[in-house]
Amino acid sequence: GAVVSQHPSRVICKSGTSVKIECRSLDFQATTMFWYRQFPKKSLMLMATSNEGSKATYEQGVEKDKFLINHASLTLSTLTVTSAHPEDSSFYICSAGLAGAGELFFGEGSRLTVL
Amino acid sequence: DQQVKQNSPSLSVQEGRISILNCDYTNSMFDYFLWYKKYPAEGPTFLISISSIKDKNEDGRFTVFLNKSAKHLSLHIVPSQPGDSAVYFCAASAGRGSTLGRLYFGRGTQLTVWP
Repeated sequence: GAVVSQHPSRVICKSGTSVKIECRSLDFQATTMFWYRQFPKKSLMLMATSNEGSKATYEQGVEKDKFLINHASLTLSTLTVTSAHPEDSSFYICSAGLAGAGELFFGEGSRLTVL
Repeated sequence: DQQVKQNSPSLSVQEGRISILNCDYTNSMFDYFLWYKKYPAEGPTFLISISSIKDKNEDGRFTVFLNKSAKHLSLHIVPSQPGDSAVYFCAASAGRGSTLGRLYFGRGTQLTVWP
């Protein structure tokens, strides 16, 4: 089946640094990928829709200058958390879907801890 | 405003018995519903889906029922197994095509299946 891979699975960084998380679709091309953030005891929140070759579409309340998304190819989207702060510590998940299908395939998630 | 609600944060069931997870939604435009299963520190994995043109979809031990008039769906797991212990997310979408990815998630229900 379709596989979506995220890297790194865990990252610890100092406050003020930037962290990049990669999301790859391993066996299919994804013109659109999605980035979610999971808050403790809360549901997954869609942060932005990443479109290959164009700018990402951010959800209301998500800072586009802080969470930079680049969809450089049909199999790779990156999320860069810039000038990270402890409150950015969270579980970030990406997903991608096959065109015309209703299911989304999720990455394994990336646990970000900002000290 | 939570458009998809899972009012039971947890459910405990004995192995071999039926697990019933419930989900309610408020947006009548939702026409596609999905259930995801999530283990700790992992991304959600797709479990089963149902289109609004159906009222039941079955896949092995998992059956999803949709009651459009009540805006309610449920996931039945029969028989329940200890390996089913996880958080189950209900998700809804309005339009499978262009809005793929705009999933509205419930907050999840922690299912615990005990021997």
